[in-house]
Amino acid sequence: QLQLQESGPGLVKPSETLSLTCSVSGGSISSNNYYWGWIRQPPGKGLEFIGTIYSSGNTYYNPSLKSRVTISVDTSKKQFSLSLAAVTAADTAVYYCARQHYGDYDSGFDYWGQGTLVTVSS
Amino acid sequence: QSVLTQPPSVSAAPGQKVSISCSGSGPNIGSNYVSWYQQVPGTAPKLLIFDNYKRPSGIPDRFSGSKSGTSATLDITGLQTGDEADYYCGTWDYSLTAGVFGGGTKLTVL
Repeated sequence: QLQLQESGPGLVKPSETLSLTCSVSGGSISSNNYYWGWIRQPPGKGLEFIGTIYSSGNTYYNPSLKSRVTISVDTSKKQFSLSLAAVTAADTAVYYCARQHYGDYDSGFDYWGQGTLVTVSS
Repeated sequence: QSVLTQPPSVSAAPGQKVSISCSGSGPNIGSNYVSWYQQVPGTAPKLLIFDNYKRPSGIPDRFSGSKSGTSATLDITGLQTGDEADYYCGTWDYSLTAGVFGGGTKLTVL
């Protein structure tokens, strides 16, 4: 059974960089037609796509966050990571990592981590 | 403001049927498959429907999805109190080259 687990600081100061890692177990991070994504959810609000990465390193980002976001992958460690620069209180959210099935078309996020709350505060 | 539009809330009695709509446009729903997610508060979203109408293993057939043009619908029949949750639609937007979600619909089973 595929499992994803987010890890990283739960508190980040304004203007600093938020960094999270997602560890994948029970399956391959290099499987064909699967991307690995980050989605966030501010308290009491809906889901927001942050970005996604293929094992080759190909990435897609939310245009509204693109200038501040970097997603990277380390296939040897079966991990992918999120870096969000210059954070503000508006970046406070639960951050989820998830597997995205993308063959000829996007078929959604089928496996999710449990999520990790990141609070931006001084 | 979400790219995909959902009603904020729907409600129905146990045993009844409810439909949740998801409206988009050409570059997103009009050009790609739609997925639906169920999120019980405090937990991660769970994939309910993918490729417009397909169900992952373990999802009961009380949940069904459809798509027509630039809109999609999630139907839930035989409502149970355990179905109370937030429901989100999602797809890919080829204009944005990014994933997009609806704002979510809170289902109340009266």
